Amino acid sequence: QVQLVESGGGVVQPGRSLRLSCAASGFTFSNYGIYWVRQAPGKGLEWVALMWFDGTRPNYADSVKGRFTISRDNSKSTVYLQMNSLRAEDTAVYYCARDLSVGAGEVWGQGTTVTVSS
Amino acid sequence: HSALTQPASVSGSPGQSITISCTGTSSDVGVYNYVSWYQQHPGKAPKLMIYDVSNRPSGVSNRFSGSKSGNTASLAISGLQAEDEADYYCSSYTNTNTILFGGGTKVTVL
Repeated sequence: QVQLVESGGGVVQPGRSLRLSCAASGFTFSNYGIYWVRQAPGKGLEWVALMWFDGTRPNYADSVKGRFTISRDNSKSTVYLQMNSLRAEDTAVYYCARDLSVGAGEVWGQGTTVTVSS
Repeated sequence: HSALTQPASVSGSPGQSITISCTGTSSDVGVYNYVSWYQQHPGKAPKLMIYDVSNRPSGVSNRFSGSKSGNTASLAISGLQAEDEADYYCSSYTNTNTILFGGGTKVTVL
């Protein structure tokens, strides 16, 4: 079945790095854009980054621009989120989602938790 | 871009209809028909309910409908049911090629 599975979350100290993965299955991965969306504890949804289906023009929220990098490996049906210079405010559940239309996440993973704390 | 504006809470009795508004600007909601709505139950991933302002993904009940006028989009839920109690978020594409979410609306079924 169509599925996205996030991994790579954990507890990390401020200023350190972490790489999240979003592994896709059940569909032609190279045909779809993938988003990362996060949700801080008790807070709302915040869009983080977008990788278009063709791997061009990645886009980022201002809050992570210059620190996070999104990439994809179509041969592995996986999208990555490299997170550098992590801050306490990056603490959240990180979800990846497959697009149905622009900005419309149709299929979501279960989320992976990132905690930035000393 | 600031977050899209949604009411913090909306409530209704079973069988009633409710509407949730989502106000943006001429840089996002007002200029693109890329408005989406999500439902999120506690501890669960969001679920897409409406995309491109008024389209329903396969499997979503026709009790959910979306519309837009100017800089404000709306989600209507008719025949309110207990299972509709959840948080609802709108989102929009923007003129800086980013995506904005609203702050979320908690729907309570009385």
